[in-house]
Amino acid sequence: EADIYQTPRYLVIGTGKKITLECSQTMGHDKMYWYQQDPGMELHLIHYSYGVNSTEKGDLSSESTVSRIRTEHFPLTLESARPSHTSQYLCASSESLGREKLFFGSGTQLSVL
Amino acid sequence: GESVGLHLPTLSVQEGDNSIINCAYSNSASDYFIWYKQESGKGPQFIIDIRSNMDKRQGQRVTVLLNKTVKHLSLQIAATQPGDSAVYFCAENTGYSSASKIIFGSGTRLSIRP
Repeated sequence: EADIYQTPRYLVIGTGKKITLECSQTMGHDKMYWYQQDPGMELHLIHYSYGVNSTEKGDLSSESTVSRIRTEHFPLTLESARPSHTSQYLCASSESLGREKLFFGSGTQLSVL
Repeated sequence: GESVGLHLPTLSVQEGDNSIINCAYSNSASDYFIWYKQESGKGPQFIIDIRSNMDKRQGQRVTVLLNKTVKHLSLQIAATQPGDSAVYFCAENTGYSSASKIIFGSGTRLSIRP
């Protein structure tokens, strides 16, 4: 059982609000990731981190930002949410370079009205 | 370009039969492949992996086959059970360095007929 947690589980907000999606893992993993996923569709990598103070943009353009001040914590922030941001956001972590078995959180389902 | 695509978006199988889920990949440099299972409302969970120096690997009721010649990956589930209902993703790792990344396919939904 992976020890990676995401909060909130569900979030409904209005357009223009600033939100932060939380992700924490207790496995000491260096690499962490954020994926965006629409129902039944593939996962799109939007941000990742190799370790503390390291953040990179993924393949899918995103208006969100991330930070990695502590190994265990990798929050994602949307400065001004829009309906196009409605989606599921999945956080993951992995322990090694190259052979990367990802451990996923349960996700945050975001709805922007 | 790089892509991992699944041949079928949905698969319906009789309970007790074997299921075969297929996946094609296009990056010949990929050297590590993973199958994930995602149940409704949950994040993907690791099922089984295989390295490019192997062509078959078996787990509990699952087998992954890798054919590097045609860049094809398959997941076989023996004696499919209702609990196997989920979306299945294949994923490839495109390198063995800090610059490596995981690419996911679009997913196959497996449904079980009683």
